[in-house]
Amino acid sequence: QLQLQESGPRLVKPSGTLSLTCSISGASISGNNWWHWVRQPPEKGLEWIGEVSESGSTNYNPSLKSRINISVDKSKNEFSLKINSVTAADTAVYYCARSYSGSSPADYWGQGTLVTVSS
Amino acid sequence: DIQLTQSPSTLSASVGDRVTISCRASQSISTSLAWYQQKAGKAPKLLISDASGLESGVPPRFSGSGSGTEFTLTITSLQPDDFATYYCQQYNTYSLTFGPGTKLDIK
Repeated sequence: QLQLQESGPRLVKPSGTLSLTCSISGASISGNNWWHWVRQPPEKGLEWIGEVSESGSTNYNPSLKSRINISVDKSKNEFSLKINSVTAADTAVYYCARSYSGSSPADYWGQGTLVTVSS
Repeated sequence: DIQLTQSPSTLSASVGDRVTISCRASQSISTSLAWYQQKAGKAPKLLISDASGLESGVPPRFSGSGSGTEFTLTITSLQPDDFATYYCQQYNTYSLTFGPGTKLDIK
């Protein structure tokens, strides 16, 4: 059974970099799967951040593209998210997720982790 | 970017009711639409993919329809476990987007 687990600092200072890692268990990061990051500000809706394939190909939300980087580490069976120049507006629950191809919705999700941007 | 709108934003219903939630896309997305259910403090759960394909383990009281720009999620005979927020999501382009959500609460 595929399981995803987000990890990283829960508190980030304004103008700093938010860094999260998603550890994959029960499956290999390799194959046709695409790996996603989605976030949800408190009491608000879902926002897709971006996705990465096992080869490192990426697609990003245009509104965030200038500040984000998503990468894979096949040796550790994990993928990561970095968001630069964060503000309070980046405070959210961050989810990692998987879709089984590049044209399918995410069917497995992590439990999510709340990241707060504050001094 | 493809924008998604959902209606209504809030829906009050009773156990046993039949409810319908609409999702409209700003341009045609064929059938590249999914529906998710999210409960407070939990990750979204995929219910339907490709507009009408029921995911494994999802009760058959859930159904989806539509293509192009107009889509519908229908829940027949509401159960207590169904009261949650529902989101549509398009994956027709390289930039995925979610609808704003519909909160289904108990009347």
